[in-house]
Amino acid sequence: QVQLKESGPGLVQPSQTLSLTCTVSGFSLTSNSVHWVRQPPGKGLEWVGAIWSGGSTDYNSALKSRLSISRDTSKSQVFLKMNSLQTEDTAIYFCTRYVGSYGFAYWGQGTLVTVSS
Amino acid sequence: DVVMTQTPVSLSVSLGGQVSISCRSSQSLVHNNGNTYLSWYLQKPGQSPQLLIYKVSNRFSGISDRFSGSGSGTDFTLKISRVEPDDLGVYYCGQGTQYPLTFGSGTKLEIK
Repeated sequence: QVQLKESGPGLVQPSQTLSLTCTVSGFSLTSNSVHWVRQPPGKGLEWVGAIWSGGSTDYNSALKSRLSISRDTSKSQVFLKMNSLQTEDTAIYFCTRYVGSYGFAYWGQGTLVTVSS
Repeated sequence: DVVMTQTPVSLSVSLGGQVSISCRSSQSLVHNNGNTYLSWYLQKPGQSPQLLIYKVSNRFSGISDRFSGSGSGTDFTLKISRVEPDDLGVYYCGQGTQYPLTFGSGTKLEIK
């Protein structure tokens, strides 16, 4: 069945770079898009960015200058890198399989990233 | 960016009752291809969001017919009938018509 699982450091220091990995199973990255959505503690959902089946990417314009999403199809992994982290970037980061007609159809469990010294 | 406005912020309902949640977008969500990409999600406490409704009124796989969506253009509604304990959580609307994808701020459903 479709599964997504995020992994990465729980704590990142301010101004440092965040690196997250989303490992997927049950579907192919070459025929599906994977998106990142984040949620600050106790707050709502914010779309971060996406990598499409062909490998192109789209980013939230507010984060674009700090953000990079890439993938390794052989390992069924999608990567998020965000630099110059600030405390406002503290959030649960979810990777999701986005199905065009449906929306965010499948979600990972999420990983909490805390930006603090 | 398309701004999604949800009301109310929270609501309380008795088991077996019915509730409606409103979602309004700052621009029409009708895509050039004629489809309207408005979805509803439920985030239960401590869990990831789950897809309930897609393209305004279509229930996702395994979703109870107690959940129904309606609306068009910029004005949408989620109705939950015969509310059960497992329905509690935060409901979000989300649009997929225009990038960046955006969500409403959420409606918290509590059981009386």
